[in-house]
Amino acid sequence: GENVEQHPSTLSVQEGDSAVIKCTYSDSASNYFPWYKQELGKGPQLIIDIRSNVGEKKDQRIAVTLNKTAKHFSLHITETQPEDSAVYFCAASTGRGTGTASKLTFGTGTRLQVTL
Amino acid sequence: DGGITQSPKYLFRKEGQNVTLSCEQNLNHDAMYWYRQDPGQGLRLIYYSQIVNDFQKGDIAEGYSVSREKKESFPLTVTSAQKNPTAFYLCASSTSHRGSNQPQHFGDGTRLSIL
Repeated sequence: GENVEQHPSTLSVQEGDSAVIKCTYSDSASNYFPWYKQELGKGPQLIIDIRSNVGEKKDQRIAVTLNKTAKHFSLHITETQPEDSAVYFCAASTGRGTGTASKLTFGTGTRLQVTL
Repeated sequence: DGGITQSPKYLFRKEGQNVTLSCEQNLNHDAMYWYRQDPGQGLRLIYYSQIVNDFQKGDIAEGYSVSREKKESFPLTVTSAQKNPTAFYLCASSTSHRGSNQPQHFGDGTRLSIL
């Protein structure tokens, strides 16, 4: 089955700096890669996702890059703010078509701390 | 507001007892999922359902059971066979009629502890 590795497990940056979280996956058939942000005591919230036919996607201060050859994808947060402090999870899925559920395999998470 | 509601927020189980976690969604999603989250680990899939009256085992289904009698509801029962049930349980849903790999939306979880 799919295996997703995520690094680093903790990351501390100063406000205004950039943060980068990296993930690798094992199944070359994976074609969907979402990123989730989880705050304490809450469920994960989708912040950005990318499909295998795209190499990069941006949404304001957040960007995700995908390298299918190397089987890795990364989350980039620029101009970090204290409210970005949370746990971030990457995931991978091999969708099989309309009408099928998406079985996500998650990384182990990165705790991001943005300090003033 | 559309969303996913999990209840209760906290639940305590006695030895040998079955407990049921509730998950309701009003997003009109076909697919629903249950995940388990342990400290320092990612989410692991317990069961998922693509449509009413159908469900499939995920990676860690032993000691758990589910039902899907209504589109809006996907309750999870933690049975006495689950020897280490203490965890944070998350329910999610996604549409599936617009193609595969649609975003999953999560509830705010139920924290289950052993008495």
